[in-house]
Amino acid sequence: DTGVSQNPRHKITKRGQNVTFRCDPISEHNRLYWYRQTLGQGPEFLTYFQNEAQLEKSRLLSDRFSAERPKGSFSTLEIQRTEQGDSAMYLCASSVTGTGSDEQYFGPGTRLTVT
Amino acid sequence: AQTVTQSQPEMSVQEAETVTLSCTYDTSESDYYLFWYKQPPSRQMILVIRQEAYKQQNATENRFSVNFQKAAKSFSLKISDSQLGDAAMYFCAYVVGSQGNLIFGKGTKLSVKP
Repeated sequence: DTGVSQNPRHKITKRGQNVTFRCDPISEHNRLYWYRQTLGQGPEFLTYFQNEAQLEKSRLLSDRFSAERPKGSFSTLEIQRTEQGDSAMYLCASSVTGTGSDEQYFGPGTRLTVT
Repeated sequence: AQTVTQSQPEMSVQEAETVTLSCTYDTSESDYYLFWYKQPPSRQMILVIRQEAYKQQNATENRFSVNFQKAAKSFSLKISDSQLGDAAMYFCAYVVGSQGNLIFGKGTKLSVKP
């Protein structure tokens, strides 16, 4: 399968713990996005990378969130000191370039539950 | 604020019939693109259809077509000859120019009755 992959698929953690998610985009896709989706809502943009450069961050991305994309390949999203409000599905997507018409290919998501 | 409104939280259609899902959006930009994404239960989101705002002709992809009314900022999705596999959450979204990040609506849950 050469689609976008995300690991882990599910994560249960206790409040206050740190968690890290990984996203592997489609090979040779330059753009990588992170979105968050809560129950009953559409995905909300968090941040995106053009190759290894993080170009934009949403105000939703508090100081407890950090994302990296070393070498412009896979990306990680870390949440420090998790809170119950962080419980959500975290989606990763990639596209060939960054033009608006580009299709974004989504991964299956990582479902985070903070207890 | 840039927003997308899907006024129908849930819709139902009989197999082989036609259904239209509504979407309105709000942006002051002139260069943008519109999308409908499908999210089946427990499966990843996939693109259904896209529309460039500068094109007047409505996009069509097999059984899926859109009614794009730029002045009204309306972008509805029509599904013809509905199939059981069409059952899913449908999200309307747009992206401005080269920004890249999609702005989504809350979605419409479509059920297809056999």
